[in-house]
Amino acid sequence: AQSVTQLDSQVPVFEEAPVELRCNYSSSVSVYLFWYVQYPNQGLQLLLKYLSGSTLVKGINGFEAEFNKSQTSFHLRKPSVHISDTAEYFCAVGGGGSYIPTFGRGTSLIVHP
Amino acid sequence: DADVTQTPRNRITKTGKRIMLECSQTKGHDRMYWYRQDPGLGLRLIYYSFDVKDINKGEISDGYSVSRQAQAKFSLSLESAIPNQTALYFCATSDRTRNQPQHFGDGTRLSIL
Repeated sequence: AQSVTQLDSQVPVFEEAPVELRCNYSSSVSVYLFWYVQYPNQGLQLLLKYLSGSTLVKGINGFEAEFNKSQTSFHLRKPSVHISDTAEYFCAVGGGGSYIPTFGRGTSLIVHP
Repeated sequence: DADVTQTPRNRITKTGKRIMLECSQTKGHDRMYWYRQDPGLGLRLIYYSFDVKDINKGEISDGYSVSRQAQAKFSLSLESAIPNQTALYFCATSDRTRNQPQHFGDGTRLSIL
């Protein structure tokens, strides 16, 4: 079985500040990991994914995430956020015999001017 | 046009009514999914289908049924709606290759009075 914990339900930050959204997972097998973003009144869009290879993954809109196997984490970072980054962010983990990823409960990123 | 289209986008109905939510996709994906999103709970899987003849229950299938009419169409029904089924519902698709991300529709906001 696999699970995902997003450690913060809400992260407020000022515009142009750096941000980190935390994600920890548990799985007994090799994993693949995703971050999705959900803007208001929209569905989820893929930000980035880790399947294998380099542990630093770059995604769209200036976001990146680092896979840390020893700490079972996949934290999402952006060095300087914009108002338009205000959204809900979901971490998801898949792997083993399951073709269906498990989603975290989401982190609401609120960017203040 | 959107790759994954959900209809209706919004629906208000009364307890006891039968409701159908529809999903169609132009991505040519074999796999389709229905999720429910509630605040603070993330996405929970209701049903999924890996091809036209394959239907599987997710973690919260009670009170719901689905129909896979064609590769491109996957509908979700609430036979007798109840207020605690008020939520945001998402359809998603994915390619048959393992480890591929899911592609989401824009959701249906369902309110049951």
